[in-house]
Amino acid sequence: NAGVTQTPKFQVLKTGQSMTLQCAQDMNHNSMYWYRQDPGMGLRLIYYSASEGTTDKGEVPNGYNVSRLNKREFSLRLESAAPSQTSVYFCASSQGHGELFFGEGSRLTVL
Amino acid sequence: GQQVMQIPQYQHVQEGEDFTTYCNSSTTLSNIQWYKQRPGGHPVFLIQLVKSGEVKKQKRLTFQFGEAKKNSSLHITATQTTDVGTYFCAGPGSGAGSYQLTFGKGTKLSVIP
Repeated sequence: NAGVTQTPKFQVLKTGQSMTLQCAQDMNHNSMYWYRQDPGMGLRLIYYSASEGTTDKGEVPNGYNVSRLNKREFSLRLESAAPSQTSVYFCASSQGHGELFFGEGSRLTVL
Repeated sequence: GQQVMQIPQYQHVQEGEDFTTYCNSSTTLSNIQWYKQRPGGHPVFLIQLVKSGEVKKQKRLTFQFGEAKKNSSLHITATQTTDVGTYFCAGPGSGAGSYQLTFGKGTKLSVIP
């Protein structure tokens, strides 16, 4: 049982480039999330999808877009990457308001 | 918006000493969750507290939810090197924001053998 799978695990971008982080869960969870983690800042919610077909902004949505492709998959897109988006990105899923199951993270560096 | 504050930010303890981290919310919470993140790893769920004044134990870990449901604590008795990591509390928003889990900045625990 893989749980939550994120790709890629590492990525280096130049300022202005675009990329998509992919996330898939195999636990049949309704809700999915994207967080970013920066040193000393904890985990901050970028976007979430409470259920298939819905997406909502979190605390720090600027510069990002998301797509809930189906119940399993939730992608995060950076249209024009900026150095301020250098971070570790975590995808998570949950069944309702229960515990979050996190992926292993994607480390993104924007030069 | 909702704020979740955690103290201390860092804690260094000798192996065998006790450790406590505290979490305070600016709003009343319907529940609070605790996570542990090992160095280089991802957050892993530890527990969820729902009731006012609730106390739960997991071996050497004791979790408490305040009577007003605005604060919580995690206490580790007789720390071990396996306890190293960052401990986060997290609380949901209310109403339409109930899926927005706000995390504290975490307490990083170092255990000196």
